[in-house]
Amino acid sequence: DAGVIQSPRHEVTEMGQEVTLRCKPISGHDYLFWYRQTMMRGLELLIYFNNNVPIDDSGMPEDRFSAKMPNASFSTLKIQPSEPRDSAVYFCASSFRRTYNEQFFGPGTRLTVL
Amino acid sequence: DAKTTQPNSMESNEEEPVHLPCNHSTISGTDYIHWYRQLPSQGPEYVIHGLTSNVNNRMASLAIAEDRKSSTLILHRATLRDAAVYYCILRDLMRRDDKIIFGKGTRLHILP
Repeated sequence: DAGVIQSPRHEVTEMGQEVTLRCKPISGHDYLFWYRQTMMRGLELLIYFNNNVPIDDSGMPEDRFSAKMPNASFSTLKIQPSEPRDSAVYFCASSFRRTYNEQFFGPGTRLTVL
Repeated sequence: DAKTTQPNSMESNEEEPVHLPCNHSTISGTDYIHWYRQLPSQGPEYVIHGLTSNVNNRMASLAIAEDRKSSTLILHRATLRDAAVYYCILRDLMRRDDKIIFGKGTRLHILP
């Protein structure tokens, strides 16, 4: 398996633009997580899904952020409109509930909002 | 989630063992102790986890105190590639939700 796939790897955009980050989890995994990492706040959980259903979105910073999982092999995190303070590395991770063990993280998307 | 306390940073020499401590004095009976690490410019990766007994795998060993209020991640022979931020995390796997809450971790520096 190729692991968790994220695209794009780098994104530079201007304030006010819409940004869409994409994630393909490991096949067969039933949990998907979106995290954000900054120097100031560290690694924060934004939202997670179980069987494509959002379970906990309490970490989503505000209404400008939205996440969807239309099927088991694809998820998006959208920011509209983007602001400079959204600049961070965004990670997607997936796991298989029955193992109870580990989350597998993607390589991340480095977002820069000018 | 129960809180963990780790030193901000540690240094070790290459090819020597490294002991990374973690305190979790408020751990509950159903909390598992997990360790993840994050190499530079990469996403976190799972290292090891345990409940009560010491655990070994190909990456590391986990030593858990008898009262479970502390644990130590042991890298038996550190290499430069082990330089990373190491996170000690408690997870109550009896709960329906399955999320990880990361703290600040310990930044491990390996000296050649």
